[in-house]
Amino acid sequence: DGGITQSPKYLFRKEGQNVTLSCEQNLNHDAMYWYRQDPGQGLRLIYYSQIVNDFQKGDIAEGYSVSREKKESFPLTVTSAQKNPTAFYLCASRLRTGLTDTQYFGPGTRLTVL
Amino acid sequence: AQKITQTQPGMFVQEKEAVTLDCTYDTSDPSYGLFWYKQPSSGEMIFLIYQGSYDQQNATEGRYSLNFQKARKSANLVISASQLGDSAMYFCAMREATETGRRALTFGSGTRLQVQP
Repeated sequence: DGGITQSPKYLFRKEGQNVTLSCEQNLNHDAMYWYRQDPGQGLRLIYYSQIVNDFQKGDIAEGYSVSREKKESFPLTVTSAQKNPTAFYLCASRLRTGLTDTQYFGPGTRLTVL
Repeated sequence: AQKITQTQPGMFVQEKEAVTLDCTYDTSDPSYGLFWYKQPSSGEMIFLIYQGSYDQQNATEGRYSLNFQKARKSANLVISASQLGDSAMYFCAMREATETGRRALTFGSGTRLQVQP
């Protein structure tokens, strides 16, 4: 079954800790994205990667880091430098064909700082 | 800069009736894509429908259709024959302008739809 998986579904972090959110896709998509969603709001772009071994900062990259060593995987690390990390994190991958250019999302990870 | 506006924070609709969710957008890019996503309480963003700026016809996907009015810069979602399972947040989104290179999505603030039996 093709799709995007994110783990864990819920994550609790103590202040000062780094945590890593997993994102895996078996859709053979080149581009992958991380978004953050705060309550009652739309999504904001954290980081994106158009191809393996390359990634770029989005609009709210401060306090976050990523890697893209494999096409299938795009993990996001929330560092202690992120001042307000409690949020819902969504990973997406992008399908581009001659007819469409669409992003598909994983189920998300809800991060809470204790 | 691109902007997506959803002016309806919440909507109610009776089961089996049709409902229209409003979305207006602003962009200077002649080539763009518009999307609607559904977000149930579980949190996953589910892709519903896509409309390209050069598409001549309005997009349709099952009970979903997109009322695309280019001159008015609107891309309203129409859900026909509402079902209880349609209760969710709905987000309108636009693919960023070509020159940014990011091809990321800009989202509106969403509309919460509640279908009543």
